[in-house]
Amino acid sequence: KAGVTQTPRYLIKTRGQQVTLSCSPISGHRSVSWYQQTPGQGLQFLFEYFSETQRNKGNFPGRFSGRQFSNSRSEMNVSTLELGDSALYLCASSSGSRARLNYGYTFGSGTRLTVV
Amino acid sequence: GEDVEQSLFLSVREGDSSVINCTYTDSSSTYLYWYKQEPGAGLQLLTYIFSNMDMKQDQRLTVLLNKKDKHLSLRIADTQTGDSAIYFCAESNLRQAGTALIFGKGTTLSVSS
Repeated sequence: KAGVTQTPRYLIKTRGQQVTLSCSPISGHRSVSWYQQTPGQGLQFLFEYFSETQRNKGNFPGRFSGRQFSNSRSEMNVSTLELGDSALYLCASSSGSRARLNYGYTFGSGTRLTVV
Repeated sequence: GEDVEQSLFLSVREGDSSVINCTYTDSSSTYLYWYKQEPGAGLQLLTYIFSNMDMKQDQRLTVLLNKKDKHLSLRIADTQTGDSAIYFCAESNLRQAGTALIFGKGTTLSVSS
């Protein structure tokens, strides 16, 4: 079955602009999580969506937001971009069932965002 | 608070065993995972262990969990050059309403022939 698809793969934006990233989870998966990966901070959890509702949120400013659609596809938005937002943004898909954490999370290849 | 720590680098020769170590602080962690990341790629789930297990073996991979010391290790037998990558340890717990993975900073494994 198809894996997790993230678009676009690469993005260059100017400071102050906003950006929207997209993630299509594995078919049948209802949970989508977003992570930011930077050389300095490593992998940090942004938020998780399950059945169109934000179920968990990391410690990021309100400029970072997301949503999930009825088909489980998710978008992440960053407004008023800062240079420090340059990172690899990874999306992870899972069944969302707390009883099935052993199935793990399947990650997409990520979107590389560069803010100039 | 939650924290996961790993050593940053490991260098081995092809054919040797590699052992990557990880410590975590959250005693309520339920599942612990090992992910692999190759250059330019996302994260690939290698294996996981449930917190009530001590050991899990999966082909060349052996995971050991010492819950008392909150120490997790990944052993790769007969390491190959294709195993060169960054390896991340991650924990997941059910304390929160949703789920989130807490990652270590990753261990870069370099395999020389």
